[in-house]
Amino acid sequence: QKEVEQNSGPLSVPEGAIASLNCTYSDRGSQSFFWYRQYSGKSPELIMFIYSNGDKEDGRFTAQLNKASQYVSLLIRDSQPSDSATYLCAVKTSYDKVIFGPGTSLSVIP
Amino acid sequence: DTAVSQTPKYLVTQMGNDKSIKCEQNLGHDTMYWYKQDSKKFLKIMFSYNNKELIINETVPNRFSPKSPDKAHLNLHINSLELGDSAVYFCASSQTPWDSRGEQFFGPGTRLTVL
Repeated sequence: QKEVEQNSGPLSVPEGAIASLNCTYSDRGSQSFFWYRQYSGKSPELIMFIYSNGDKEDGRFTAQLNKASQYVSLLIRDSQPSDSATYLCAVKTSYDKVIFGPGTSLSVIP
Repeated sequence: DTAVSQTPKYLVTQMGNDKSIKCEQNLGHDTMYWYKQDSKKFLKIMFSYNNKELIINETVPNRFSPKSPDKAHLNLHINSLELGDSAVYFCASSQTPWDSRGEQFFGPGTRLTVL
């Protein structure tokens, strides 16, 4: 089992819709979870982090964490074409290493 | 003011050559990393240094040798380049390796093409 897995893309949503990106992880002792956005040809940038079970909202972005299910998701409300990018889930494991998932490519269609 | 910079941005070379990539951060961070991102966009850590000391050394060929002359610099030297080394190499830094925010600041990447 891979340490961090993400739903395979590419994911296409119409402008204004909600985009839902999912991530599962294998290390049950993981404590911190991150979403990075990477535009084509650019470097990853952190957009959200979450430690506690439940939801964390920041503008149009909501991160959801369920440690019992070892699942973290990112919702993007009112998706814009500028949200088109690859989204990388990253998990800080119990052995203090940050592991990145393979990424999900999102395309927002105008 | 570039936070994490890498040189060169592009590197095209022949198989068997030796090349280096340089990285510098001006954020005052203690920890620096090298990542390899392959054509499928999978970002995989290679090395991490904390205050010039190697703390993460993933299973990479020993043709890859990192060097940290001080905590603001982390260079990557690659010997005997192979076709499979073609990828984008990202340098990154964070406040500490145990930074609970986990925020790593990435450089712009170096696209290495081995012919």
